[in-house]
Amino acid sequence: GENVEQHPSTLSVQEGDSAVIKCTYSDSASNYFPWYKQELGKGPQLIIDIRSNVGEKKDQRIAVTLNKTAKHFSLHITETQPEDSAVYFCAAWGSTLGRLYFGRGTQLTVWP
Amino acid sequence: DAGVTQSPTHLIKTRGQQVTLRCSPKSGHDTVSWYQQALGQGPQFIFQYYEEEERQRGNFPDRFSGHQFPNYSSELNVNALLLGDSALYLCASSLGRALYGYTFGSGTRLTVV
Repeated sequence: GENVEQHPSTLSVQEGDSAVIKCTYSDSASNYFPWYKQELGKGPQLIIDIRSNVGEKKDQRIAVTLNKTAKHFSLHITETQPEDSAVYFCAAWGSTLGRLYFGRGTQLTVWP
Repeated sequence: DAGVTQSPTHLIKTRGQQVTLRCSPKSGHDTVSWYQQALGQGPQFIFQYYEEEERQRGNFPDRFSGHQFPNYSSELNVNALLLGDSALYLCASSLGRALYGYTFGSGTRLTVV
């Protein structure tokens, strides 16, 4: 099956700085890569996603890049705000098996 | 438009007991997938239900079973509970077996003592 690795496990930044979270995947058949934000006591909320035929996607302060050759993808958050503090998960959709494989998460803390 | 709803929100059970968790999919969705999220970990796929049948299963023992009803709602049953079953159980719904509109509920926090 697919194996998704995510780094770092914790990330602390000052408000206004940028944050970058990186993930790698193992199955070249995976074709969809969502990023989720999970706040305490809540389920994962989709914040941005990218398909395998696209190299980069941006939505306001959030961007995701995908390198299919290297099998890695990254989340970039610019101008961070305290409300960005949460656990962020990357995931890969295994098209063969039709399920999501998640990384272990990154606890992002944005200090005012 | 209601999203994915799960009940109960919290549950405490004793080792060896059985538990049933419930999920109502988002309006218009017909597929339900269940995930287990242990503390400090990412969600792990348990199984998926479509057309009232289990279509896929992750690496979980037979103690984990489920059901889907004609109205697309679903139940997750866990028998002979172990301490290691303590986790947040997430339900995700979608349209068809593909990824379209994949939406998670807020989960049920199960604690086994």
